[in-house]
Amino acid sequence: DARVTQTPRDKVTEMGQEVTMRCQPILGHNTVFWYRQTMMQGLELLAYFRNRAPLDDSGMPKDRFSAEMPDATLATLKIQPSEPRDSAVYFCASASGYRELFFGEGSRLTVL
Amino acid sequence: KNQVEQSPQSLIILEGKNCTLQCNYTVSPFSNLRWYKQDTGRGPVSLTIMTFSENTKSNGRYTATLDADTKQSSLHITASQLSDSASYICVVSAHAGGTSYGKLTFGQGTILTVHP
Repeated sequence: DARVTQTPRDKVTEMGQEVTMRCQPILGHNTVFWYRQTMMQGLELLAYFRNRAPLDDSGMPKDRFSAEMPDATLATLKIQPSEPRDSAVYFCASASGYRELFFGEGSRLTVL
Repeated sequence: KNQVEQSPQSLIILEGKNCTLQCNYTVSPFSNLRWYKQDTGRGPVSLTIMTFSENTKSNGRYTATLDADTKQSSLHITASQLSDSASYICVVSAHAGGTSYGKLTFGQGTILTVHP
C-alpha cells in the first residue's frame, strides 16, 4: 500500500528551537510538495521539487525556513528558529509527473 | 488573481440524505479541477480529477460536475453516511506548460457533518 510517510506526526517545541520535519514520498514519484495548513489560511504551498530540484519555494519565509531533498526517498523541511506563528499542520505530498497528488498524514507543529 | 471560492462554508445533514457542494473559480489558464476529502486529523485524499473536456465524473457515491464556461463545479454526495463527515476541498490547477506541475489554487473547503 503505497503512501507518503511523514515524521513526526506531532511536535511541541519552544520558540527559538529548530524543527525538522521529514517526508518519504511514494517510491517512483518525482514531484514533492510541502504545504502548510491553518484554520485561517487553509492549505498554502511552501515549496515544491521535481527530480529533487527545487522549482518553487516562493511561499516559504526564506529567513527561517529551508527545504531540501537529500535523495529521492527523503524530503526535509526545517524551521530555525521557530516562532509561535509557525504553529500549523505541515503536509508533504508527492506525485508522478503531473498526475494525481498524494498527501501524507501531516506533521502537527505547536510552537509555544 | 487566481481564486477558488467554495460554498457553503459548512453544512449539516442527516444520514441518508443527499447534498451538493459548490466551487467557483477564476483560475486561468485552466488545466484541471480536483476535489479532495480531508478527514479530521488526516491528509487530503483525492476524490476526482476533471479536465476541461469532462463534464461529469463519479467515484462511488460522489459525483463531480464541471462547467468550464461558467467556471463552476459541484460535488454531489448521494445517500450520505456518517463517514462522509469531513472537509471537502476544491483545488484548481493552472497550466504551467510542458510537463511542469501546474500551480494549484486551493479553496477554503466545506465542512460537512452528517448526523445519525
